[in-house]
Amino acid sequence: EAGVTQFPSHSVIEKGQTVTLRCDPISGHDNLYWYRRVMGKEIKFLLHFVKESKQDESGMPNNRFLAERTGGTYSTLKVQPAELEDSGVYFCASSQVGRREYEQFFGPGTRLTVL
Amino acid sequence: DQQVKQNSPSLSVQEGRISILNCDYTNSMFDYFLWYKKYPAEGPTFLISISSIKDKNEDGRFTVFLNKSAKHLSLHIVPSQPGDSAVYFCAASRWAGSYQLTFGKGTKLSVIP
Repeated sequence: EAGVTQFPSHSVIEKGQTVTLRCDPISGHDNLYWYRRVMGKEIKFLLHFVKESKQDESGMPNNRFLAERTGGTYSTLKVQPAELEDSGVYFCASSQVGRREYEQFFGPGTRLTVL
Repeated sequence: DQQVKQNSPSLSVQEGRISILNCDYTNSMFDYFLWYKKYPAEGPTFLISISSIKDKNEDGRFTVFLNKSAKHLSLHIVPSQPGDSAVYFCAASRWAGSYQLTFGKGTKLSVIP
């Protein structure tokens, strides 16, 4: 069974540009989460989808971040325009609905560098 | 305000001995606690979890202990192997419309052959 995949693995952009990150969850996992780790800090929650619906957006830092999950499969996270403080590693995680739903499986992350 | 704390940034252990990684939390509403292992340039890998209604959960070489009164949990790895060298994250979750995870900063474990 394939795990969570994320694309790209690295992205280097200039301040003010736009970047779109993609996440493909484990097949059959309706829950999809985005997290971020900025340098020296802990991994922090951004938002949670159940299928195509945003269940919890409480961790989104500001309106420069837009997440979508059209069709309830893969998800994208767009940063527009990117700022220097957006640099970090963006992780996606997925879990099944139901028993042990809290156990989340993470992708390898996308390292974003904003210059 | 850090709700999940891992106060030891690093830990070194001899191969074959026990590794004990500690984690403290402040929010008594957390329902579940999880441990993840992370290698460089990879995502966190789920290891083991425990519900707040239990005090111990075991899976192979990994055992997690929960002391609710002390708001403390620990991960025991026995016996430790060189391949266990990684950063270990403690995470906590409660149902609030979402099982979002709150992470500690991690402890880097080095297992010396």
